[in-house]
Amino acid sequence: AQSVTQLGSHVSVSEGALVLLRCNYSSSVPPYLFWYVQYPNQGLQLLLKYTTGATLVKGINGFEAEFKKSETSFHLTKPSAHMSDAAEYFCAVSSINFGNEKLTFGTGTRLTIIP
Amino acid sequence: EAQVTQNPRYLITVTGKKLTVTCSQNMNHEYMSWYRQDPGLGLRQIYYSMNVEVTDKGDVPEGYKVSRKEKRNFPLILESPSPNQTSLYFCASSTGQGFTEAFFGQGTRLTVV
Repeated sequence: AQSVTQLGSHVSVSEGALVLLRCNYSSSVPPYLFWYVQYPNQGLQLLLKYTTGATLVKGINGFEAEFKKSETSFHLTKPSAHMSDAAEYFCAVSSINFGNEKLTFGTGTRLTIIP
Repeated sequence: EAQVTQNPRYLITVTGKKLTVTCSQNMNHEYMSWYRQDPGLGLRQIYYSMNVEVTDKGDVPEGYKVSRKEKRNFPLILESPSPNQTSLYFCASSTGQGFTEAFFGQGTRLTVV
């Protein structure tokens, strides 16, 4: 079974400050990891993903995440927060089980940007 | 434009009145699935489909049905809705070739009174 833990259901940072959203996973097989963003009244949009290869992954809107196998972590960072980053962020791990490409999501982190 | 379209976006209904939420994708994706999103629980998979006429249960299938008669459509059916099915529902599709991006619809906010 796979699981995802997102530490902090709400995170507030000042505009221009570092954004750090934490994600730890549990997986019995090599994981495939994703970060999705959800803006108000919208669906989920892929920010970035890790499948294989380079452990530092860059995504859209200046976000990046680093896969650390020893720590079972996939934390999301952005050097300088912008007001438009205010949204809810979901970390997810994927598996293929008899053809089911299920995404197992964390409970989400709501990011607030303070002007 | 690649997209997953859900309808309706908002729905208020009464207990026991059958309803269908439609989902359509224009990317020729083989794999489609339904999730529900509840506060503090994240998104949980309800049903999925690997191709036409191939569907199976996800983690929380009780009270739901699906069908996949055409590749592009994957409706979610609630035969007898109950208040505990009040939730935000998302349809998603992907190629089915493994660990590719899942595209999500805009969501359907369902309230059962």
